[in-house]
Amino acid sequence: AQTVTQSQPEMSVQEAETVTLSCTYDTSESDYYLFWYKQPPSRQMILVIRQEAYKQQNATENRFSVNFQKAAKSFSLKISDSQLGDAAMYFCAYRSLPGGSQGNLIFGKGTKLSVKP
Amino acid sequence: KAGVTQTPRYLIKTRGQQVTLSCSPISGHRSVSWYQQTPGQGLQFLFEYFSETQRNKGNFPGRFSGRQFSNSRSEMNVSTLELGDSALYLCASRREDTASEQYFGPGTRLTVT
Repeated sequence: AQTVTQSQPEMSVQEAETVTLSCTYDTSESDYYLFWYKQPPSRQMILVIRQEAYKQQNATENRFSVNFQKAAKSFSLKISDSQLGDAAMYFCAYRSLPGGSQGNLIFGKGTKLSVKP
Repeated sequence: KAGVTQTPRYLIKTRGQQVTLSCSPISGHRSVSWYQQTPGQGLQFLFEYFSETQRNKGNFPGRFSGRQFSNSRSEMNVSTLELGDSALYLCASRREDTASEQYFGPGTRLTVT
């Protein structure tokens, strides 16, 4: 079974600085999706960024980028120029390709990010 | 386009009772998944429905059940509630194509006393 591990329960960053959230996963599948979701205190889960495992190029969305290391099964999220609105729980998630063992999301335990003004 | 909606947003029930939660997916989305979120266990997958059929199921007891209607709206039911069922229940919908991602609703906060 696939597992996702986020080893940092809490992180803190100064406004305008850069922070990196870590995520590792375990799978025997060769193709899959990886996601970072953000859950602000209002609780609505929002997709931040996603990565297809077959793509070697790291995904980027504005201030958010990932460092995807397939061999190491590592998928970290870098937030540049941190803003107060980035404060939230961040979840790393794994999903098999359709037709794989499971199409649901498997989540890590989350990292609570605080942004200091 | 309207997002995923869930009703009710908050619910308080007593042990032994049953509860039904509702989820309306984004228009055009045919897949609906349910997740349970608790401080201790985190986010856990309950089940997924597609075209009124349960396609996938997580490791939860039979007290947890669900269904999907022809308009893709979904309900989940929990019978014989236990204190440990207190949680945030999240619904997510997605289109049915290879790369589609899940969009989450705001959740229903269930408290069992």
